[in-house]
Amino acid sequence: EDQVTQSPEALRLQEGESSSLNCSYTVSGLRGLFWYRQDPGKGPEFLFTLYSAGEEKEKERLKATLTKKESFLHITAPKPEDSATYLCAVQAHFGNEKLTFGTGTRLTIIP
Amino acid sequence: KAGVTQTPRYLIKTRGQQVTLSCSPISGHRSVSWYQQTPGQGLQFLFEYFSETQRNKGNFPGRFSGRQFSNSRSEMNVSTLELGDSALYLCASSSSGQFTDTQYFGPGTRLTVL
Repeated sequence: EDQVTQSPEALRLQEGESSSLNCSYTVSGLRGLFWYRQDPGKGPEFLFTLYSAGEEKEKERLKATLTKKESFLHITAPKPEDSATYLCAVQAHFGNEKLTFGTGTRLTIIP
Repeated sequence: KAGVTQTPRYLIKTRGQQVTLSCSPISGHRSVSWYQQTPGQGLQFLFEYFSETQRNKGNFPGRFSGRQFSNSRSEMNVSTLELGDSALYLCASSSSGQFTDTQYFGPGTRLTVL
């Protein structure tokens, strides 16, 4: 069974203090790994898709990387508006569109 | 391009009742997936529809069902509601459904069962 574990559960950072969120996964043939951002009371907002080990993608202050066992979401010089829950999900080759999610990391950036 | 829309946004029901939630995917998207989100379990996959056919199903009881129409709009139904069904129900759409495809989520329907 596909599994996704995210750590830490919660992270508080000062504005400008860089850090990384971790997503460890086990999946029967990775088709894609997805990162989403979710604000309270809203649906998840798509950030990145990673397909193979070694791949990296960037968007503003965020950079996602992928190995065969885990993915990292690096946040550089965060701002208060980066506060949200960050969700990681995997999609297997034979699961059609099914996404298996981790429970997320709740990130708080303190001004 | 309009995003995924879900109606209603909020719903309050009592135990034993049934409920129907609606999802309109992004124009041109043919795959619609449904997820249940609760504080304890996170996002859990309910089922996925593609071209009016259910392609995949999660580990939920038969009280949870869905369907997809020819215009790709989808509905999910929960019968004989239980207190534990209180959750945010999210739908997501993607385009071809054939290759790795980004799923875009709607804002969700917040269901409260009293």
